Amino acid sequence: SQTIHQWPATLVQPVGSPLSLECTVEGTSNPNLYWYRQAAGRGLQLLFYSVGIGQISSEVPQNLSASRPQDRQFILSSKKLLLSDSGFYLCAGGRRYTEAFFGQGTRLTVV
Amino acid sequence: DQQVKQNSPSLSVQEGRISILNCDYTNSMFDYFLWYKKYPAEGPTFLISISSIKDKNEDGRFTVFLNKSAKHLSLHIVPSQPGDSAVYFCAATIAGGTSYGKLTFGQGTILTVHP
Repeated sequence: SQTIHQWPATLVQPVGSPLSLECTVEGTSNPNLYWYRQAAGRGLQLLFYSVGIGQISSEVPQNLSASRPQDRQFILSSKKLLLSDSGFYLCAGGRRYTEAFFGQGTRLTVV
Repeated sequence: DQQVKQNSPSLSVQEGRISILNCDYTNSMFDYFLWYKKYPAEGPTFLISISSIKDKNEDGRFTVFLNKSAKHLSLHIVPSQPGDSAVYFCAATIAGGTSYGKLTFGQGTILTVHP
């Protein structure tokens, strides 16, 4: 079965510091990979998706970027964090277009 | 523009009774719908789904109903159990094409089942 590993679980970062969140996938090859964010009191918003190595599509303009250096690795980054980047970040993957398996999430607090 | 809406932020139900969670969508291109369940500080887990070619899908205590003309779907949980207490997200996607499995989520409904 497919498993999404995501770390760290919680992160507190000062404004202006860089960010790197990593996500890896087990149990499938060539998955579609996604980064979602859940801001306080809001639903899940799709930030980036990738259909293959080096292929990244951004859904919303923002202070973040994503990269996919390997088939089963997806990285979310920022050069300088803003207060508004705080939220719950979720990595998801799916071989089938109709389902997505989620990681455990990272609670990011920018202070 | 919120294409998938869950207008009830919360729902409180007695154990053993039915829980009905509602979801509305505006994009008529959506043809596949999913429900996810999420506990605090965890990622969502897939619960049940339905294709637009059906109007009902059942899995144990969980049933999803789809009304395409009304662009409305609902999740029924019978009987409700305290362990069902969680946030429930409705999601929609366009199967195939260039959607690449991207899901559009509603805001979520917090379900609390009281013993």
